[in-house]
Amino acid sequence: NAGVTQTPKFQVLKTGQSMTLQCAQDMNHEYMSWYRQDPGMGLRLIHYSVGAGITDQGEVPNGYNVSRSTTEDFPLRLLSAAPSQTSVYFCASSYSGGNEQFFGPGTRLTVL
Amino acid sequence: SQQGEEDPQALSIQEGENATMNCSYKTSINNLQWYRQNSGRGLVHLILIRSNEREKHSGRLRVTLDTSKKSSSLLITASRAADTASYFCATDAGGGNKLTFGTGTQLKVEL
Repeated sequence: NAGVTQTPKFQVLKTGQSMTLQCAQDMNHEYMSWYRQDPGMGLRLIHYSVGAGITDQGEVPNGYNVSRSTTEDFPLRLLSAAPSQTSVYFCASSYSGGNEQFFGPGTRLTVL
Repeated sequence: SQQGEEDPQALSIQEGENATMNCSYKTSINNLQWYRQNSGRGLVHLILIRSNEREKHSGRLRVTLDTSKKSSSLLITASRAADTASYFCATDAGGGNKLTFGTGTQLKVEL
């Protein structure tokens, strides 16, 4: 099992550019989430999904879109990157709600 | 907004000593989880304690939960240099896959 994989590992964008952060899991988990981690802060939830075709907003959803067309994949789209979106992004999955989450290695994004 | 606040923010101990870190939260929860993050890496789940449990053990880890005080503690016994990492508490208030994380405790274990 590869677990939770994320690509790319690093990315530099210019303000206004768009991009998609990829996340995939091979554990057949129904639940998937995206978090961002900023210096001195814990992780904050951006969007989450409780199954294919179902997504919902977390604490900091503005500027991000998600979709969940398959159980395995949960991409995060930045529509028009801003310097405030410079952060480390983590994808996580779990078998169901109320259980431990498995995290990917993260994507370090810098927006200039 | 952060649900959890962790204390201390940083902790430095000698190998073999015990390390205790505390987490306070604000709202009712279904469970509380502790995660470890090594520098530059993703988070690794350590232990989950449900709201109807008061104490849980896993190897050298001991977690307590006091729902009346809305607080939890993580004890690492006989610490090792490899325990050097940041430790986060995260609360699950139910309603999906939504964890709210604390700000973390940076633990350094020196030889």
